[in-house]
Amino acid sequence: NAGVTQTPKFQVLKTGQSMTLQCAQDMNHEYMSWYRQDPGMGLRLIHYSVGAGITDQGEVPNGYNVSRSTTEDFPLRLLSAAPSQTSVYFCASRMTGGANTEAFFGQGTRLTVV
Amino acid sequence: DQQVKQNSPSLSVQEGRISILNCDYTNSMFDYFLWYKKYPAEGPTFLISISSIKDKNEDGRFTVFLNKSAKHLSLHIVPSQPGDSAVYFCAASARSGRRALTFGSGTRLQVQP
Repeated sequence: NAGVTQTPKFQVLKTGQSMTLQCAQDMNHEYMSWYRQDPGMGLRLIHYSVGAGITDQGEVPNGYNVSRSTTEDFPLRLLSAAPSQTSVYFCASRMTGGANTEAFFGQGTRLTVV
Repeated sequence: DQQVKQNSPSLSVQEGRISILNCDYTNSMFDYFLWYKKYPAEGPTFLISISSIKDKNEDGRFTVFLNKSAKHLSLHIVPSQPGDSAVYFCAASARSGRRALTFGSGTRLQVQP
């Protein structure tokens, strides 16, 4: 069982470069989300999606774009990387509706912007 | 404005003793609460949850208590084992709005052999 798969695991970018963090789940979950984890701040919501074709902003959306063309995939795009985006990024999925169910997380992508 | 707070960044206990991790929340709309465990270089893994209609939920060595009037929940681990050493995150969600999980900042638990 793959669960939630994130690629790459590590990435170094130069300021101004763009890239896409990939996330795929095989549990047929409708609800998917992206978080970033920074020291002392827990996990903060970047963007989320309640189903294919539907996305919305979380707490810290600036500098990131998402799309949801299929139930399985939820890529996160960094438009023009900045050092402030150095962080560990986690993708998560939850069952239909997202209420009163646990979220399953990928292993994370550690991104460094220099 | 932190809606979920874990005020203890770290906790150290002896193997075999009880570990108590605390969490406070401010949003009255939260109706589902979860605890996640995280090892270094891994994603968070679900540990235990509780609905707002309950005040206690138990799963083996792990028990979560919810005090709605105080907007407080706690995770008890009895007995604590060295393998429990990890960062524990408290999270909450509401049926309305984003329905996303809102996380606390985490508590690093170290269980000494």
